[in-house]
Amino acid sequence: QVQLQESGPGLVKASQTLSLTCAVSGGSVNSGTYYWSWIRQLPGKGLEWIGYIYNSGRIYYNPSLKSRVTVSADTSENLFSLKMTSVTAADTSVYFCARFSPDLYFFDYWGQGTLVTVSS
Amino acid sequence: QSALTQPHSVSGSPGQSVTISCTGTNRDVGDYNYVSWYQHHPDKAPKLIIFDVSRRPSGVPDRFSGSKSGNTASLTISGLQAEDQAHYYCCSYAGAYTMVFGGGTKLTVL
Repeated sequence: QVQLQESGPGLVKASQTLSLTCAVSGGSVNSGTYYWSWIRQLPGKGLEWIGYIYNSGRIYYNPSLKSRVTVSADTSENLFSLKMTSVTAADTSVYFCARFSPDLYFFDYWGQGTLVTVSS
Repeated sequence: QSALTQPHSVSGSPGQSVTISCTGTNRDVGDYNYVSWYQHHPDKAPKLIIFDVSRRPSGVPDRFSGSKSGNTASLTISGLQAEDQAHYYCCSYAGAYTMVFGGGTKLTVL
């Protein structure tokens, strides 16, 4: 059974960098079969796909966030990470990590999410 | 890349059916049969309930069904049960290795 667990600071100051990690168990971030993804739940606005990493090297981003976001993977620790620079209050969200199947175009395993609040 | 449009809320009584729409464009929902739906209970991980417009993962009851016409996909839940009360999100492939979600619909079981 694949499990994902997000971790990171719950409070980030405006203009600084948000950093989160997602620990994966029951699967490998280096598998070459799945994409490892970040998604956020904007308050009152639904889900927003942020980006995903494949085979520890190919990375795809939401065009609207691409200039501020970096997704990376640590195969030795079997985790992947999200960095978002120059955050504002609009980045306050619950951040989820998830596994994406590129053959069937769905997210099949999700973490429970972690709330990140951006303070002024 | 704009979010897919869903109704903010829907409701129904136990045993009834409800349908949630998900409207995109001819660059996402209308162009690909890669629409998926997720059920999200508060403080839990979202759960995949429909993929490829109308296919159900193993273990998802057949009360949940999906369809698509043009740029609009739909999720129908029949025989509503109390545990179906949750938020529901649609998602579509949008080309160039990108994905787009809907704004979410809150389902209330009366």
